[in-house]
Amino acid sequence: GEDVEQSLFLSVREGDSSVINCTYTDSSSTYLYWYKQEPGAGLQLLTYIFSNMDMKQDQRLTVLLNKKDKHLSLRIADTQTGDSAIYFCALVSHSGGGADGLTFGKGTHLIIQP
Amino acid sequence: DTEVTQTPKHLVMGMTNKKSLKCEQHMGHRAMYWYKQKAKKPPELMFVYSYEKLSINESVPSRFSPECPNSSLLNLHLHALQPEDSALYLCASSQDGLADETQYFGPGTRLLVL
Repeated sequence: GEDVEQSLFLSVREGDSSVINCTYTDSSSTYLYWYKQEPGAGLQLLTYIFSNMDMKQDQRLTVLLNKKDKHLSLRIADTQTGDSAIYFCALVSHSGGGADGLTFGKGTHLIIQP
Repeated sequence: DTEVTQTPKHLVMGMTNKKSLKCEQHMGHRAMYWYKQKAKKPPELMFVYSYEKLSINESVPSRFSPECPNSSLLNLHLHALQPEDSALYLCASSQDGLADETQYFGPGTRLLVL
């Protein structure tokens, strides 16, 4: 099955850029996702990238995809205290049928230092 | 509107109780999902409904029983749960029940089994 790996913690200073990395084993997912989860809350879809793209930018967020190395990253520019959360990388786990579930990385806890 | 709602937000139940979790979406989506998220872990897929038919059941114990009364509603019936079933239960939906669709998550129901 799909294996998705992330570092568990990342600590950055407020105003700096944060880069959260993810590696995966199965490259058949058409889209690759980043979800954000604040304490005690559900999952918020942050952004996603089509597997044929190398980069996607959305305001403060930049997603980079290296398909050859099976590496996905999320860069958050000008990190703010409100960005403190757990960030999950997710890919589709294909069952061969119709709708498929997501396989998530373990999540990276982004800690913001003042 | 990309909202998925879940009720209740919190639930405490004994091991002999029967309870139900509810999920609703009004985005016209035809696929709905249940995930289970233990503390400090990523979400794990439990069930997928596509066009109101169960399409994926990830070997979940029979004490969890999903039901999809119509395309906008998804229930999870709970009976004779164990303390280790305490977790955040997340519902998600996607557009057409096809592979590789973006999934939108609800806020979750935090379940405690005593």
